[in-house]
Amino acid sequence: QKEVEQNSGPLSVPEGAIASLNCTYSDRGSQSFFWYRQYSGKSPELIMSIYSNGDKEDGRFTAQLNKASQYVSLLIRDSQPSDSATYLCAVNSNYQLIWGAGTKLIIKP
Amino acid sequence: DVKVTQSSRYLVKRTGEKVFLECVQDMDHENMFWYRQDPGLGLRLIYFSYDVKMKEKGDIPEGYSVSREKKERFSLILESASTNQTSMYLCASSLQRAGTEAFFGQGTRLTVV
Repeated sequence: QKEVEQNSGPLSVPEGAIASLNCTYSDRGSQSFFWYRQYSGKSPELIMSIYSNGDKEDGRFTAQLNKASQYVSLLIRDSQPSDSATYLCAVNSNYQLIWGAGTKLIIKP
Repeated sequence: DVKVTQSSRYLVKRTGEKVFLECVQDMDHENMFWYRQDPGLGLRLIYFSYDVKMKEKGDIPEGYSVSREKKERFSLILESASTNQTSMYLCASSLQRAGTEAFFGQGTRLTVV
């Protein structure tokens, strides 16, 4: 059974600080990795994708991938109250996406 | 912009009713998916389809069926709704090539009473 693991949280971070979200996966053959944000009662929306080892930055968001350790992370700099949401990690495996259960992030003003 | 549209945002049905949830995408995606999402359980795949008239069972297909007669439309059917099928249902679509992300509809909150 291919798995994606995330800490369910909640992760509480002060406004303006860096939020760090982590994800591990079991399928060594996975090549594509995604972070989605989901607000309460809404559907998930893609915020970052990463395909190769290292860091990928987009505005306040940085995705980090380490295939050797089977580890993906998402850093959110200068956290804002609007970043409060559940963050889902998804890993591509055999043309399907395998989903983590999500980490609830709370940004405290 | 990719658009995935689900037919209803909220739905209330009675136990034993046959329920149809419709999903339409406008980006010519080959793959379409139906998930349900419950608190603490994350996204669970019910069925997916990679082509017209093709369907594959996901992790929790029991009590559900699907139909894909046209490429842009994927329907989820609850043959006889039960209270344990009360949930948020999410439709998604993606291109077939590896490495592409999924795009979601707005979700249908189904309550079975």
